[in-house]
Amino acid sequence: ETGVTQTPRHLVMGMTNKKSLKCEQHLGHNAMYWYKQSAKKPLELMFVYSLEERVENNSVPSRFSPECPNSSHLFLHLHTLQPEDSALYLCASSHDARLAPTEQYFGPGTRLTVT
Amino acid sequence: AQSVAQPEDQVNVAEGNPLTVKCTYSVSGNPYLFWYVQYPNRGLQFLLKYITGDNLVKGSYGFEAEFNKSQTSFHLKKPSALVSDSALYFCAVREGTDKLIFGTGTRLQVFP
Repeated sequence: ETGVTQTPRHLVMGMTNKKSLKCEQHLGHNAMYWYKQSAKKPLELMFVYSLEERVENNSVPSRFSPECPNSSHLFLHLHTLQPEDSALYLCASSHDARLAPTEQYFGPGTRLTVT
Repeated sequence: AQSVAQPEDQVNVAEGNPLTVKCTYSVSGNPYLFWYVQYPNRGLQFLLKYITGDNLVKGSYGFEAEFNKSQTSFHLKKPSALVSDSALYFCAVREGTDKLIFGTGTRLQVFP
């Protein structure tokens, strides 16, 4: 788990705030992912970056804005969130899955509460 | 679209007994299947994967999974459960090249 780190681990924000989640991977991977985990629901893939290019956006509301400045870092910028956005946000990384099926390695997550 | 189903929300087993956590899949093409475990307040940890080859796949912490093509199943197993195995277990299938589709999870409770 130390291979993928996420900060902060906990975040409470009001609906009018702007905040950012940070993810860093130390595994030499070149693909990174954001997932949302809500209670009693399957993990929802939000964004995929491969070689620093966004390759997938699963119809995520524009109040979530990802940024991938290099292959080791991934951000999720948050603004004007809704209470239903409260969840555990997980970052993951992997080798380029287009080359071969490969597992993803997850960070510990950021527990987000929107008040 | 690919999908996996975990039919049990919770599995209870006594320590020392064998455990099975069930997963069935629905795919078009070759199935690439994964198992992950999540401990409280932690991210998901990779346990094992099936890509091709032997139907019995061995993974971390003594876990193994059996791929059964005729039953479209990929059940997770361990011969002797430990209390420390208590956690949330997710089955996943690859869709496309980048996406993992996860099941809803099964909570494993191992009693002393």
